[in-house]
Amino acid sequence: AQKVTQAQTEISVVEKEDVTLDCVYETRDTTYYLFWYKQPPSGELVFLIRRNSFDEQNEISGRYSWNFQKSTSSFNFTITASQVVDSAVYFCALRPASGGSYIPTFGRGTSLIVHP
Amino acid sequence: DGGITQSPKYLFRKEGQNVTLSCEQNLNHDAMYWYRQDPGQGLRLIYYSQIVNDFQKGDIAEGYSVSREKKESFPLTVTSAQKNPTAFYLCASSSPGQLVGKLFFGSGTQLSVL
Repeated sequence: AQKVTQAQTEISVVEKEDVTLDCVYETRDTTYYLFWYKQPPSGELVFLIRRNSFDEQNEISGRYSWNFQKSTSSFNFTITASQVVDSAVYFCALRPASGGSYIPTFGRGTSLIVHP
Repeated sequence: DGGITQSPKYLFRKEGQNVTLSCEQNLNHDAMYWYRQDPGQGLRLIYYSQIVNDFQKGDIAEGYSVSREKKESFPLTVTSAQKNPTAFYLCASSSPGQLVGKLFFGSGTQLSVL
């Protein structure tokens, strides 16, 4: 069975602060994919990143960075110099890379509020 | 532009009524999914379909039904058996030919009970 835990229900920061969203997962699969999605107030989830389980390189994209640590089963997401437009609900997800039904499991989401 | 279209954006259901949520995609994706979102609950899978004329129950299928007669369409019916239907419903699709596992989402339908 797969499980994704996003322990932070809501985070509130002031603009320009750095913020890290935590994601911890459980899986018996040896190969899998991890994802982050952003859900702005409009409701549509937007894909941010996919990480393969065999690739532990951290990734940076502009103000966004992701820290994947297989040893601690974590895939944390950091926003540097947060902006009001970053306010959204962020979801972490996990999916097997082989076998099974290829159905992703989502965490409960973290609501990020960035105040001006 | 390719994408997923969900309609209507808002829907109201009376007691004992069945309602159908529409989901159409022009991405030529084989797999389609329906998720239910409740505040603080994350996304829970209702039904999914990997191919036309085939679909599987997800974690919370009771009180819901689907059909997949065409590749581009995956409507969800919320039946009167679903006693707590108020939620935000999201449709998604994916294709193994693109970034594997990436889901494309519609803009959702908010269903409320009158």
